[in-house]
This record gives sequence, structure tokens and C-alpha cells, in this order.
Amino acid sequence: GQQVMQIPQYQHVQEGEDFTTYCNSSTTLSNIQWYKQRPGGHPVFLIQLVKSGEVKKQKRLTFQFGEAKKNSSLHITATQTTDVGTYFCSTRDDKIIFGKGTRLHILP
Amino acid sequence: GAVVSQHPSRVICKSGTSVKIECRSLDFQATTMFWYRQFPKQSLMLMATSNEGSKATYEQGVEKDKFLINHASLTLSTLTVTSAHPEDSSFYICSARDFRQTNPHYGYTFGSGTRLTVV
Repeated sequence: GQQVMQIPQYQHVQEGEDFTTYCNSSTTLSNIQWYKQRPGGHPVFLIQLVKSGEVKKQKRLTFQFGEAKKNSSLHITATQTTDVGTYFCSTRDDKIIFGKGTRLHILP
Repeated sequence: GAVVSQHPSRVICKSGTSVKIECRSLDFQATTMFWYRQFPKQSLMLMATSNEGSKATYEQGVEKDKFLINHASLTLSTLTVTSAHPEDSSFYICSARDFRQTNPHYGYTFGSGTRLTVV
């Protein structure tokens, strides 16, 4: 079945620095979704991308879907302490398959 | 937006007992719900797909006799962990999507999760 590989596994950044997590697949994806899970919480849907080369922004978050629809990225500009959590990419056909996630730590 | 309610949020049970977890879609009908398990600092692993009015579809390696799923109505799915053992201690989360939502950018909604501890 489809799998999505996510890197890095962990990222420590100083508050105010940028952060990027990457999601890759060996096969073409029909869609990519991004979720955020705060420590002790449940995943919260951020966005879904479906078009080749699609770029979407949510305030300081920028999401990209590659031209070949095999990779995606989430970039956070000027991180804040509220950005702490694990960011998961996922893909959905008849079920959702999650990447392993990138755990973001913010150093004050 | 769509809301999924999951109960209980935490449960501690003795080894050998059974625990039932409920997942309800509050303002929409969910013909399909998904059950995930998440171990500490790991990703969400899909356990099974719950289909209203029919048998659940289990992922490879998940024992269907141990993790009983019932989806008797369009708004309620239950997961029962039978004869629980300490290794079943985990975070169990359900999710569902409002299929009336035609916006392709609309994602799945997750319950708040159930932290199961088997002692």
C-alpha cells in the first residue's frame, strides 16, 4: 500500500527561527494532508492539497505539493512557542495513512 | 464544523478485563469511522475501518477477536478491547469524515482520544 516517509523525525529550533518538515512518497499521491498534534492531544486537521504544484498558506504556515505529486512540505516562518507539537503528513484513499511525524521543539 | 466525541478520555483497567471506547459523530452522519492506536512518541497506526451496518475491516496484524468493533448506527462506533493486557496500553483515537462535505480540502475529524492503561 501507499506509504509516506517524513523527515526529520525531530527538530529543535530557537523561537523566531523557521521550520520545515518534508514528506515523500515513492508513488504518486492523489492527495496529501497535514495534521498537527499537540503534546497529549489529538491530531487536528490543517490542510489538504490535491493539485500538482499547489501552494497554500495559513498565516505563518506554507504548504506545498510537488509537481510530481510525490512530495510535500510544511514550512513555518518565525516559529512561536504555540507551534510546539508533532506535524504529520498523511495520504488518503479509502483510509488515511500517516507518516511518522516530525516533532518540533521550540527553544525560548 | 464536524465534531467527533470520544469517551472515555482516560481509563485504567485490570489485566484480563474488557474496556469499551465510544466514538460519536455529533453533527453529522459517519458511515465510516477509523480506529487508530498511537504508542508514545510514535505515529498513528490504523487498526481498523468501521463500516455502519457491516463488519469492520481490520489491518494486517490486528486481532479482530481482541479488538471488537461495532458500528450499529450512523453516529456511533465502539471499540472494545477484550481481555486487556499491559501491552494493550496505548492511546486509541477514532476519526470520521462528513461525506456530505464536497470540499476536497476538508479533512477528517478526530476524537480527543482515549488513554488506556492496563495494570
